[in-house]
Amino acid sequence: DTGVSQDPRHKITKRGQNVTFRCDPISEHNRLYWYRQTLGQGPEFLTYFQNEAQLEKSRLLSDRFSAERPKGSFSTLEIQRTEQGDSAMYLCASSFLGEQFFGPGTRLTVL
Amino acid sequence: RKEVEQDPGPFNVPEGATVAFNCTYSNSASQSFFWYRQDCRKEPKLLMSVYSSGNEDGRFTAQLNRASQYISLLIRDSKLSDSATYLCVVLSGGYNKLIFGAGTRLAVHP
Repeated sequence: DTGVSQDPRHKITKRGQNVTFRCDPISEHNRLYWYRQTLGQGPEFLTYFQNEAQLEKSRLLSDRFSAERPKGSFSTLEIQRTEQGDSAMYLCASSFLGEQFFGPGTRLTVL
Repeated sequence: RKEVEQDPGPFNVPEGATVAFNCTYSNSASQSFFWYRQDCRKEPKLLMSVYSSGNEDGRFTAQLNRASQYISLLIRDSKLSDSATYLCVVLSGGYNKLIFGAGTRLAVHP
């Protein structure tokens, strides 16, 4: 399968714990995006990488959130000191110049 | 006000019906527009781009009215397999981030 992959697919954690998600984009795609989707809403933009450079971050991305793309390939999104309000689907998308292709998402539940 | 607003759902229609979804966007500088489809608990997938001249893909027709900042999607001859959430999407900014509406859920019944 040559699509965008994300790991894990599901994560259940207790409030206050740290979690890290991984996204592997389509191999030739230099652009990588993270979005967050809560129930009943459309995805909301979190951050954007072009190669290894993080070029834009949403105000939604508080200081508890950090994202990296160290070698311009896979990316990680870490949430520190999780809160119940962080429960959502975290979607990664990649593109070269045009269409963004989404991964299956990581569903986070914070208890 | 949200940047992209859509008709509230859900739409419940019989097979064979024609259904129309509407969407408005607030940023008059927006240049690119799309409809995405999202099945339950799945990722969004591009259904079609929306062009000023209007465009059609089989049973699906998309229209854009830049003056009114209004986008529409028409589905003719609805199939059971069309049941999904339809997301109106606007491309924003120099880095091509996608701004999504909240989505409109469509349920097609026999």
